[in-house]
Amino acid sequence: EDQVTQSPEALRLQEGESSSLNCSYTVSGLRGLFWYRQDPGKGPEFLFTLYSAGEEKEKERLKATLTKKESFLHITAPKPEDSATYLCAAFSGSARQLTFGSGTQLTVLP
Amino acid sequence: ETGVTQSPTHLIKTRGQQVTLRCSSQSGHNTVSWYQQALGQGPQFIFQYYREEENGRGNFPPRFSGLQFPNYSSELNVNALELDDSALYLCASSSSTGGNTEAFFGQGTRLTVV
Repeated sequence: EDQVTQSPEALRLQEGESSSLNCSYTVSGLRGLFWYRQDPGKGPEFLFTLYSAGEEKEKERLKATLTKKESFLHITAPKPEDSATYLCAAFSGSARQLTFGSGTQLTVLP
Repeated sequence: ETGVTQSPTHLIKTRGQQVTLRCSSQSGHNTVSWYQQALGQGPQFIFQYYREEENGRGNFPPRFSGLQFPNYSSELNVNALELDDSALYLCASSSSTGGNTEAFFGQGTRLTVV
C-alpha cells in the first residue's frame, strides 16, 4: 500500500528564518511527486511536480527536491503570507491515484 | 483561480439522508477525481472518472458513487449519510489519468452531517 508521511506536523518560523519540510514516501512505481499549498477552508493550490530523483524546482521562496525515498520543500526567508498547510502527494503507476500526506502546518511570524 | 468550481460551498445534512455535490472541471480536462479531507488530514482518494467511466476507486463503500457528464462536469453522490462523512469534499480535474500532469483542485464543499 502506498504511503506518504510528512514532518513536522507543525512548524513556526520567524520571518526570514529559512527551513525545510520533509515528505517521505513508499509507493510502487512513482510517476510523480506533487507539492500543494492549502489555505484554511480552501482547496489545495498546485506548486510543483517532480518526476525523478535529483530533480529540483523553484518558485519564488520555495524550492522542491526529490530523492528516491523523500522530497524536501525548502523555504528561504519566509514571509507571513507563506503561512499555510503544505501537502505532498505521490502518484504511483499501480494505484493511479494521488496519495497525500497529512501536511505540515507552517506559521511564519512577523 | 484554477477554473474548477464546486457547489455548494457549504452543506448541512442529517444522518441517513442523501447528498449530491457538483463539480465543473477546467476547460479541456477530461479526468476528474474526488477526494475527502477530514479536519487536520490530507485528502483521501474516493474515485476518478475518465470520459464518463469510473477509472479507479479508493477505499470507500459503494454508497459513495459518481457521475461524469459529456461536458466534463461531475457529481459525487453519498447515500445513507453517517456522522463520519462530515468533511471537506474536493474535486480535481486534469487532462490525463496519469501522473504526468497537474491536478487542479476546486475550493471544496464543506459537508456537515448532524
